[in-house]
Amino acid sequence: QVQLQQSGPGLVKPSQSLSLTCAISGDSVSRNSVTWNWIRQSPSRGLEWLGRTYYRSKWYNDYVESVKSRITINPDTSKNQFSLQLNSVTPEDTAVYYCARGVYPYFDYWGQGALVTVSS
Amino acid sequence: EIVLTQSPGTLSLSPGERATLSCRASQSVSNNYLAWYQQKPGQAPRLLIYGASSRATGIPDRFSGSGSGTDFTLTISRLEPEDFAVYYCQQFGTSPWTFGQGTKVEIK
Repeated sequence: QVQLQQSGPGLVKPSQSLSLTCAISGDSVSRNSVTWNWIRQSPSRGLEWLGRTYYRSKWYNDYVESVKSRITINPDTSKNQFSLQLNSVTPEDTAVYYCARGVYPYFDYWGQGALVTVSS
Repeated sequence: EIVLTQSPGTLSLSPGERATLSCRASQSVSNNYLAWYQQKPGQAPRLLIYGASSRATGIPDRFSGSGSGTDFTLTISRLEPEDFAVYYCQQFGTSPWTFGQGTKVEIK
């Protein structure tokens, strides 16, 4: 059974960086044929896919255009987890953030979600 | 990017009734890679249907999906009390992957 456990601060100041981690059990971050994704949800933007990391003989990343200049998703093979970093946050980045496994063409396992509030 | 529009916004029905939810895409969804998720308050979305019509593991057969191209439908044949929730469609045909805004199925 795959489980994704999220961790990270729930409050971030404007202009600072948001950082979240998703620990994987029951699967490997390095497994071919799956992707590891970050998705957020807010009342104003709904569900929004932010990006993914995946391994196909080497590591790849894809990001949505709206945050591409501010986002980094990194795998950590030693801890079997992956992370999200979103820089220069504003109150518009306030949302519940989810990590999710992608098994094309769907997301089948999700983390528990983490509310991140951007406020001074 | 592909915009998904769900209708209606809210569906008020009684247990035992049939629910029909619509998802329309702004352009054709490649390979009909359209998924449906159920979300309850405080929980992550749960996969119900993928590839427009394939039920995910463990999903009861009262849930069915249909459609192709730009028009897709999720049908719940007979609503059970646990089915009252918000439902989202999501396309995996063209990056970036996008979601609809959701349909809330509430108890009448």
